[in-house]
Amino acid sequence: DTEVTQTPKHLVMGMTNKKSLKCEQHMGHRAMYWYKQKAKKPPELMFVYSYEKLSINESVPSRFSPECPNSSLLNLHLHALQPEDSALYLCASSQIAGTGSPKQYFGPGTRLTVT
Amino acid sequence: GNSVTQMEGPVTLSEEAFLTINCTYTATGYPSLFWYVQYPGEGLQLLLKATKADDKGSNKGFEATYRKETTSFHLEKGSVQVSDSAVYFCALGNNAGNMLTFGGGTRLMVKP
Repeated sequence: DTEVTQTPKHLVMGMTNKKSLKCEQHMGHRAMYWYKQKAKKPPELMFVYSYEKLSINESVPSRFSPECPNSSLLNLHLHALQPEDSALYLCASSQIAGTGSPKQYFGPGTRLTVT
Repeated sequence: GNSVTQMEGPVTLSEEAFLTINCTYTATGYPSLFWYVQYPGEGLQLLLKATKADDKGSNKGFEATYRKETTSFHLEKGSVQVSDSAVYFCALGNNAGNMLTFGGGTRLMVKP
């Protein structure tokens, strides 16, 4: 199984709502990632988890709160978002880097619209 | 810091034409280089990878050679198909192996 799954596929939320994005993989990968992708732009790294611990936070606003409850799951909790946060949110996973950069497997993304 | 520059699109080709998408990078050390493809409405899929100078990555008829002397990793395909229409991202892995830096993406449109 070389698949990363993400739910929901689409999400519309108001600026006062609290919602969560979910990501799951069963490849035994111990590194997991959240990216944000705006239309016609490349993905931008938000967070990296290694061995279920947050290892990189790319200065993401606190209204985005990641969580890695176990080695297969990665969540992104959303609260008090702004319309400019509307984007495609991509999850990825990989083996922990050894020599060189490992291949990252991407999920299909959650398309988020903040109204 | 690390950076990746790709040719701007869209690139429009007829079926069976030759494809080149240019990619150059700036980095310290010896990064790994990647090409990812994104089909409409989907996430990214790894197309090919090279980890050291003069390595050639290849997959599904696509090729790219890691050229350290020109800091380039151009993507080529000898004969494109309509199904190759997508956005292609060149990416660079940092030395720690835990971050990817993406180029801006190049949209390819192949017409029958």
